[in-house]
Amino acid sequence: DAGITQSPRHKVTETGTPVTLRCHQTENHRYMYWYRQDPGHGLRLIHYSYGVKDTDKGEVSDGYSVSRSKTEDFLLTLESATSSQTSVYFCAISWGWSNEQFFGPGTRLTVL
Amino acid sequence: EDKVVQSPLSLVVHEGDTVTLNCSYEVTNFRSLLWYKQEKKAPTFLFMLTSSGIEKKSGRLSSILDKKELFSILNITATQTGDSAIYLCAVFNAGNMLTFGGGTRLMVKP
Repeated sequence: DAGITQSPRHKVTETGTPVTLRCHQTENHRYMYWYRQDPGHGLRLIHYSYGVKDTDKGEVSDGYSVSRSKTEDFLLTLESATSSQTSVYFCAISWGWSNEQFFGPGTRLTVL
Repeated sequence: EDKVVQSPLSLVVHEGDTVTLNCSYEVTNFRSLLWYKQEKKAPTFLFMLTSSGIEKKSGRLSSILDKKELFSILNITATQTGDSAIYLCAVFNAGNMLTFGGGTRLMVKP
């Protein structure tokens, strides 16, 4: 594994509650990404970061926000979770913009 | 809109068989194509291909890219049960965003 951890690994929550997922890396990679994986859609990019406090939107960013206050941590927040956000969330890291990305173990989120 | 399509969707073979997985793409300003293997957890990186016609090889796995016809293939020879997984293809565009295909689910029976 590329020194990436995600927490929590599993979470069940109710519609309307806020949820924060954490990605932590020990590799000192500059770039970090949040993806969601759903049957029939594959992996889709939510948000990404290209440095501390530098973030931008991906393909499916509505309903999500991110923050990166330290190189090693990238947080994904669902301000008010909805059932459509039930998914498996993966964090990924890379050295450079167009380098291969290495993935964390994933967080399975269920919104009831 | 960038698009990556993988085929077949799923495949069942027996140990020792050779398989070929396909990935076709339509991407604005293609930069590179990546293959990942996903078992019950995170995708793990296999190959990155940037140039046409140059085969990348790792043990029983190999891959090649055709930038003219916009596709790549992943070959697995002498398959083993440990090769059972979902194989994902992804393409970098000019904005350095990765677009993933839906994957091919491979099952290798003893």
